[in-house]
Amino acid sequence: GESVGLHLPTLSVQEGDNSIINCAYSNSASDYFIWYKQESGKGPQFIIDIRSNMDKRQGQRVTVLLNKTVKHLSLQIAATQPGDSAVYFCAEGGTSYGKLTFGQGTILTVHP
Amino acid sequence: SAVISQKPSRDICQRGTSLTIQCQVDSQVTMMFWYRQQPGQSLTLIATANQGSEATYESGFVIDKFPISRPNLTFSTLTVSNMSPEDSSIYLCSARRGTGGRETQYFGPGTRLLVL
Repeated sequence: GESVGLHLPTLSVQEGDNSIINCAYSNSASDYFIWYKQESGKGPQFIIDIRSNMDKRQGQRVTVLLNKTVKHLSLQIAATQPGDSAVYFCAEGGTSYGKLTFGQGTILTVHP
Repeated sequence: SAVISQKPSRDICQRGTSLTIQCQVDSQVTMMFWYRQQPGQSLTLIATANQGSEATYESGFVIDKFPISRPNLTFSTLTVSNMSPEDSSIYLCSARRGTGGRETQYFGPGTRLLVL
């Protein structure tokens, strides 16, 4: 079946560095992608999304890049802060059918 | 964003019993979902809660085990029936808001369930 996977299960960075979290997806019919941040003991928090008619979208300190040719998604966090430490999940879906398929997650640890 | 609350936030239950989890959204939403998350793992969709009709279950999940209600556009319940220790998990309610390609999906804080 369709699946979404991550290249790096853990990522450790120094405060102030830029972080890049990667994600591969397999369903070429997916047209909607979301990044979530999940802190310990909490539900996933929406960070940023992107539709398949775009290849880049920027938010506050975050940028999502979508490469449909190789089915790859990445989340870039600029000037990473200790508060960014969390598990990050990518999710893929379709605006027409609603449900999301989640990747395995990457643990981001930011050292002061 | 949507504000989603869940009750209870956590519970410890005995095997063989049932627990109903409530999910309340602060405004009307187009779709609601229930997910399960095993400790240290990703999220798995249990079912889509349809307003006014039976829920749509994913492979591996059945209505007898996880009955779901959605009486209106802001509220849903998930019952975990005849629980066993394997049902120990985090159960997450999710809601999708928006229309016309501008939808996005939000999550509640989760219900942490331990079955003894």
